[in-house]
Amino acid sequence: DGGITQSPKYLFRKEGQNVTLSCEQNLNHDAMYWYRQDPGQGLRLIYYSQIVNDFQKGDIAEGYSVSREKKESFPLTVTSAQKNPTAFYLCASSIGGELFFGSGTQLSVL
Amino acid sequence: GQQLNQSPQSMFIQEGEDVSMNCTSSSIFNTWLWYKQDPGEGPVLLIALYKAGELTSNGRLTAQFGITRKDSFLNISASIPSDVGIYFCAGQLDSNYQLIWGAGTKLIIKP
Repeated sequence: DGGITQSPKYLFRKEGQNVTLSCEQNLNHDAMYWYRQDPGQGLRLIYYSQIVNDFQKGDIAEGYSVSREKKESFPLTVTSAQKNPTAFYLCASSIGGELFFGSGTQLSVL
Repeated sequence: GQQLNQSPQSMFIQEGEDVSMNCTSSSIFNTWLWYKQDPGEGPVLLIALYKAGELTSNGRLTAQFGITRKDSFLNISASIPSDVGIYFCAGQLDSNYQLIWGAGTKLIIKP
């Protein structure tokens, strides 16, 4: 089955801890994205990557980091510098202008 | 970041009713996309529009790319319970720019 897999579905972070959210795709898409969604809000772009070994900051990159070492994988690290990390995180990949999303990771602070 | 103006913010409807929602922008777009998100899931693409004036259907859903290229509409005919969820519009200025998202329209079926 082709698609985008995000894991884990639920994640808890302690104060001062870095956590990494996984995103894997087998759609052979070049571009991948990370969005943050807060309750009742739209999607805000954190980082995106249009090709392996290259990525750009989105609108709210502070407190986050990414890597793109393989075409299939685009992990997101939520660092301790992100003071309000509780949110629903969505990974997507695209071909042309159409984005295809994973099922999301809910991150909460303990 | 920039956002589209999406309205209404929420809608209470009776099963069987038709539904309309829209997105407007001060910028001219060359692509409009409509997505639906179920609770706790990622958005799913419903309809993609690439040409001004284009009218595209997907089952009971119909979307139009406004002739001014600054707006788009989504209509749902004869709504059913599984239509509940949040509908998002997204627009793209051109292929060099990222998508700009509306804040969503939450569709709720009256009991």
